[in-house]
Amino acid sequence: KAGVTQTPRYLIKTRGQQVTLSCSPISGHRSVSWYQQTPGQGLQFLFEYFSETQRNKGNFPGRFSGRQFSNSRSEMNVSTLELGDSALYLCASSLSRRGHSPLHFGNGTRLTVT
Amino acid sequence: GQQLNQSPQSMFIQEGEDVSMNCTSSSIFNTWLWYKQDPGEGPVLLIALYKAGELTSNGRLTAQFGITRKDSFLNISASIPSDVGIYFCAGQPANAGGTSYGKLTFGQGTILTVHP
Repeated sequence: KAGVTQTPRYLIKTRGQQVTLSCSPISGHRSVSWYQQTPGQGLQFLFEYFSETQRNKGNFPGRFSGRQFSNSRSEMNVSTLELGDSALYLCASSLSRRGHSPLHFGNGTRLTVT
Repeated sequence: GQQLNQSPQSMFIQEGEDVSMNCTSSSIFNTWLWYKQDPGEGPVLLIALYKAGELTSNGRLTAQFGITRKDSFLNISASIPSDVGIYFCAGQPANAGGTSYGKLTFGQGTILTVHP
């Protein structure tokens, strides 16, 4: 069974640009969550999608947005990039059934903003 | 917001030694998870705990969900060089509600170095 796939693995952008990251969940998983990982702040929750609906959102500015498609694939977008947005962006999927449904992470997209 | 205190921050051990790390919170958690992250990769799930007092093993790894629901520990027995990496605890707060399965609070990580 293929794991969570994130593309691209690496991105270099300049301040002010926007970026779109893509995530394909494990087959059969309907919930997709996004996290930002930085050395200073650690792993922080961005948002969660289930059945194409945003179910939860972390404390990030509106420049960070996402969406989920009918096949459960998800994208996140960051507009007007700032230097502080440089981070590893991780996508995770789960079955999202009541009970035992842990998150499984992809290998992330490393975003560098210059 | 919710915070998890993970300790120790780093450990330097000899191959063959046992390792113990833990996470504590001021709030109650419904779920405790332990992940390992290698450089350039995403966190990999090691053990998931869903019930207070639960003790679960995965090979040389053993983790427990604290009775108070505010803490968890992870033990690694007979460490080997490939155990090197960063270990994270993560939890789902009890007040997160029934629809927030994807929203986890993470500890700051324990960096494990194993000397051969």
